[in-house]
Amino acid sequence: AQSVTQLGSHVSVSEGALVLLRCNYSSSVPPYLFWYVQYPNQGLQLLLKYTSAATLVKGINGFEAEFKKSETSFHLTKPSAHMSDAAEYFCAVSDTGGKLIFGQGTELSVKP
Amino acid sequence: NAGVTQTPKFRVLKTGQSMTLLCAQDMNHEYMYWYRQDPGMGLRLIHYSVGEGTTAKGEVPDGYNVSRLKKQNFLLGLESAAPSQTSVYFCASSYYAGTGSSPLHFGNGTRLTVT
Repeated sequence: AQSVTQLGSHVSVSEGALVLLRCNYSSSVPPYLFWYVQYPNQGLQLLLKYTSAATLVKGINGFEAEFKKSETSFHLTKPSAHMSDAAEYFCAVSDTGGKLIFGQGTELSVKP
Repeated sequence: NAGVTQTPKFRVLKTGQSMTLLCAQDMNHEYMYWYRQDPGMGLRLIHYSVGEGTTAKGEVPDGYNVSRLKKQNFLLGLESAAPSQTSVYFCASSYYAGTGSSPLHFGNGTRLTVT
């Protein structure tokens, strides 16, 4: 069965610093992987998705993620954090029936 | 273009009361989902639908029922609310999930408190 583990329930960075949010997945088939962002009191918005076309996936707001099959990882990065990046981030994997299985979420705080 | 709309936004129930959460999408999506979000647990799938007139159980279906009488609407019912159902509920839809690559579009959530 597919599953997702996000390492770190809370990450804090300074404005301008590198953002690294970790996600490891388990899947018995080639996975479709997603990162979503949730701003306070809102629903989830798609940041980016991996569908096997390229291992480095670029998303919105300067975020990108690299699929590493050997490490079963799909970590999310952004070179320079902005105050507006403060939110909760969810990694998700699609199961064999097409349903999304979400990780526990990582709350990102950005310090001025 | 409204996307996915959930009503109500907030609700407080007493134990044993019933209610229905409404979800409407205007994107002509086939697939619709109900998730619940609890701190530290991410989103867990309650029920989903792959088309008008169909429903299926997700990861945590107990205590909930759903109906998809029209393609654009997906209703989530609580027949006898319990404090354990205090949560934020999200509805989502997608164009086609057969290959697993279609992203989900989410509503803004319903915050439910059961006392």
